Amino acid sequence: GAVVSQHPSWVICKSGTSVKIECRSLDFQATTMFWYRQFPKQSLMLMATSNEGSKATYEQGVEKDKFLINHASLTLSTLTVTSAHPEDSSFYICSASGQTNTEAFFGQGTRLTVV
Amino acid sequence: KQEVTQIPAALSVPEGENLVLNCSFTDSAIYNLQWFRQDPGKGLTSLLLIQSSQREQTSGRLNASLDKSSGRSTLYIAASQPGDSATYLCAVSPTGFQKLVFGTGTRLLVSP
Repeated sequence: GAVVSQHPSWVICKSGTSVKIECRSLDFQATTMFWYRQFPKQSLMLMATSNEGSKATYEQGVEKDKFLINHASLTLSTLTVTSAHPEDSSFYICSASGQTNTEAFFGQGTRLTVV
Repeated sequence: KQEVTQIPAALSVPEGENLVLNCSFTDSAIYNLQWFRQDPGKGLTSLLLIQSSQREQTSGRLNASLDKSSGRSTLYIAASQPGDSATYLCAVSPTGFQKLVFGTGTRLLVSP
C-alpha cells in the first residue's frame, strides 16, 4: 500500500503555544487528506477534510480558527493547533486518498500533550 | 447521522481460538467498509476493505463479511495468536472520498 508519513510522532508543548503537525504522502499524490482526533479510550472522530489548493471543510463542533489546516501541495497537509490548551491533548492522525473510492492510507499519528 | 457500533467492546481468548468481531452501522447507504487494527499508541493498519457491492474479503487468517442491507459486518479471525492482540476498528465511508466514520472498537487480547 501507499505510504503516509506524519511528523512529529509525539510532541509536548506549553499551554498557549502553537503546534504544527505534518502529513505527507510519500509515493502518491493525495488530492484529499483527512484529519482525525482520538481521545483516550474513544474512537477516531473526523475533524476536517482538506483538498489540495482549497479551504478545508470542518466537521461540526471543530473550531476552524483553532485548528488551522493547510493543503498547499498534493503531497503535504499541515494541521496547526493554535493557542493549545490541556484539553487539546489528544492523538491526531491523518489519512490521505488519491482518487475517489480508493483506500485511504493513514499516517502513524501524533500524540500531543499540552502542559 | 451515521453511527457505527462494535460488539464486544473487549474480548479475551486463549491462543488458537477462532473468533468473530461484530460491527453494525445505522445507515446502509455506504460506499465501502474497512477494518483496521490499532496497536496501543500507534496509528492504523488497514486489514480489509469491502466495497458496497461485495459480500466478503479474505486476507490470510482474516475474513470480513458485509451485509449492507442489514447494516452489519463481521471480522472473523482464525487460529488467533498473541500477536493479534490489538484494538480492531471498523469504519464506513458514506461516499467514495474515504471520509470515514469509525466504530467504537473491540480490544482483543489473545493469551498464550
